[in-house]
Amino acid sequence: AQKVTQAQTEISVVEKEDVTLDCVYETRDTTYYLFWYKQPPSGELVFLIRRNSFDEQNEISGRYSWNFQKSTSSFNFTITASQVVDSAVYFCALSEGGNQGGKLIFGQGTELSVKP
Amino acid sequence: EPEVTQTPSHQVTQMGQEVILRCVPISNHLYFYWYRQILGQKVEFLVSFYNNEISEKSEIFDDQFSVERPDGSNFTLKIRSTKLEDSAMYFCASSDRGAYEQYFGPGTRLTVT
Repeated sequence: AQKVTQAQTEISVVEKEDVTLDCVYETRDTTYYLFWYKQPPSGELVFLIRRNSFDEQNEISGRYSWNFQKSTSSFNFTITASQVVDSAVYFCALSEGGNQGGKLIFGQGTELSVKP
Repeated sequence: EPEVTQTPSHQVTQMGQEVILRCVPISNHLYFYWYRQILGQKVEFLVSFYNNEISEKSEIFDDQFSVERPDGSNFTLKIRSTKLEDSAMYFCASSDRGAYEQYFGPGTRLTVT
């Protein structure tokens, strides 16, 4: 069975702090894809990153970085030097490669609040 | 930059009424999806659509729901007889390849009274 767990429901930090959002996934497929989406207060879902199961290389994009570890089935997201504009709900999601339709299975989301 | 659009942004309807939510996916995308998000909860998959047919549907997508791509640009979700528990934000998404990143529209907030 496929499942995504984001154990942190809410995180509150002060601007310029670093923050890590945890994501643990379960799947029986050997080929799968992991995603992070951002949902700001305005409500839209914004794609941030996709990672393929066969590529464990970590990725950095500006203040954002992602750590993918197959050994622990985790795909964590770190924001360095957080800013107020980072305040949002962040969703981790999984898509199984054998599923040609590509449905996304979302975690419960982590609400990040960055205070000035 | 191409984007997914959805109309209306907010729909209020009475229980038992039919509603149609409309989406215009990104033009060169081939895979289309509907998701819903009940207030404060996670995003849930409803249905995927490819090559003019449903690829997969969830348990939520029962006989009251249907999808259609009536022309080359629109993708619609119909709820035949709405229930109070259908109140949610409905997101349309599209992708150029199955299992790859999906781009979401801004959502339609459906309120059933």
